[in-house]
Amino acid sequence: DGGITQSPKYLFRKEGQNVTLSCEQNLNHDAMYWYRQDPGQGLRLIYYSQIVNDFQKGDIAEGYSVSREKKESFPLTVTSAQKNPTAFYLCASREVRGRGQQTQYFGPGTRLLVL
Amino acid sequence: AQKITQTQPGMFVQEKEAVTLDCTYDTSDQSYGLFWYKQPSSGEMIFLIYQGSYDEQNATEGRYSLNFQKARKSANLVISASQLGDSAMYFCAMRENYGGATNKLIFGTGTLLAVQP
Repeated sequence: DGGITQSPKYLFRKEGQNVTLSCEQNLNHDAMYWYRQDPGQGLRLIYYSQIVNDFQKGDIAEGYSVSREKKESFPLTVTSAQKNPTAFYLCASREVRGRGQQTQYFGPGTRLLVL
Repeated sequence: AQKITQTQPGMFVQEKEAVTLDCTYDTSDQSYGLFWYKQPSSGEMIFLIYQGSYDEQNATEGRYSLNFQKARKSANLVISASQLGDSAMYFCAMRENYGGATNKLIFGTGTLLAVQP
């Protein structure tokens, strides 16, 4: 089955600790995205990657880092510089169809909690 | 600046009835895309329906249809014959930079739909 997987489902971070969220897709999509969702709000873009070995900052990139060494994988690291990391993190990849339709499909998400 | 507005924080609907979820948007672009996603309590964002700004007909996907009124900048989601499994948070989103490099989605704050038996 094709899809997007994220792990872990829940993640706990201690003060001063870096943690890495995994995102893998087997849909053969070029572009991948990381969003953050806070309670009662919509999603905000952290980072995106259009192609392997290339990525760009989104609206709220401070305190986060990413890599894109493989087409299938787009891990997100939440660094100690991110002072309010408690949130729900969603990874997405983009499908390109005809007539310009470009749809983002999402993984199941990771809930990050700070201890 | 591009913006999505969902004015209904929560809604109730009786099972088997139709419901309309409101969405208005603001953009100066001529080409853009509008999306609706469903987010059940599990958290996953599920793509429901897409409408391109140049599409002349309203999009439909099974029980979902999008009432697209370009002049009013609205893209309301209509769910026909509501089912208990439709209870979830619904997000309207717009793709920024149509065909451009970013293809970022801008999301509204969502509408929580509760379907009552």
